Amino acid sequence: TQLLEQSPQFLSIQEGENLTVYCNSSSVFSSLQWYRQEPGEGPVLLVTVVTGGEVKKLKRLTFQFGDARKDSSLHITAAQPGDTGLYLCAGDDYKLSFGAGTTVTVRA
Amino acid sequence: EAQVTQNPRYLITVTGKKLTVTCSQNMNHEYMSWYRQDPGLGLRQIYYSMNVEVTDKGDVPEGYKVSRKEKRNFPLILESPSPNQTSLYFCASTTLQEGIGYTFGSGTRLTVV
Repeated sequence: TQLLEQSPQFLSIQEGENLTVYCNSSSVFSSLQWYRQEPGEGPVLLVTVVTGGEVKKLKRLTFQFGDARKDSSLHITAAQPGDTGLYLCAGDDYKLSFGAGTTVTVRA
Repeated sequence: EAQVTQNPRYLITVTGKKLTVTCSQNMNHEYMSWYRQDPGLGLRQIYYSMNVEVTDKGDVPEGYKVSRKEKRNFPLILESPSPNQTSLYFCASTTLQEGIGYTFGSGTRLTVV
């Protein structure tokens, strides 16, 4: 049973458009993390959110953590081809539980 | 450079031939873990270690062993590999401080024939 549900599963957009990826959990974790993974490589940490209602910005990426600490979103503004990759959310409770991931393709 | 180093990157082996995948981190992290990634199943935890000589099973431990004799190293051992262990394996480490993310290795692609 997947503890974290990500949507959509696939997302293909044109360069310059905005996109949002959602992550919903059936459990409350001590923190929720977002990773980006390139094919054949390990996931790379983008951000960790801990506090309900928290918003973090990383250049064109905005991460939100829901008040109840069970849902999160990743918003990319003016997407670029370099944003292409697999985006994973993960809940941490002395063990990382991953969502299935969202494959994002940004077309030039 | 802070990193998690896995070796080898690629490995093809035959059923039943014992193998070890090494993992080393240079960040003095207490926590280390192993994951496998399979199409349609995502990343699943195999084993984890909270510190030296402390290991515990993750979600899919069958067919694997680990040891943590030193803080920096956390090898994954397949005593008798089978074809269903063909997968992409990742080692990861972190501190036990709240809110700190994980650092992953570059992966080991294992094929068991």
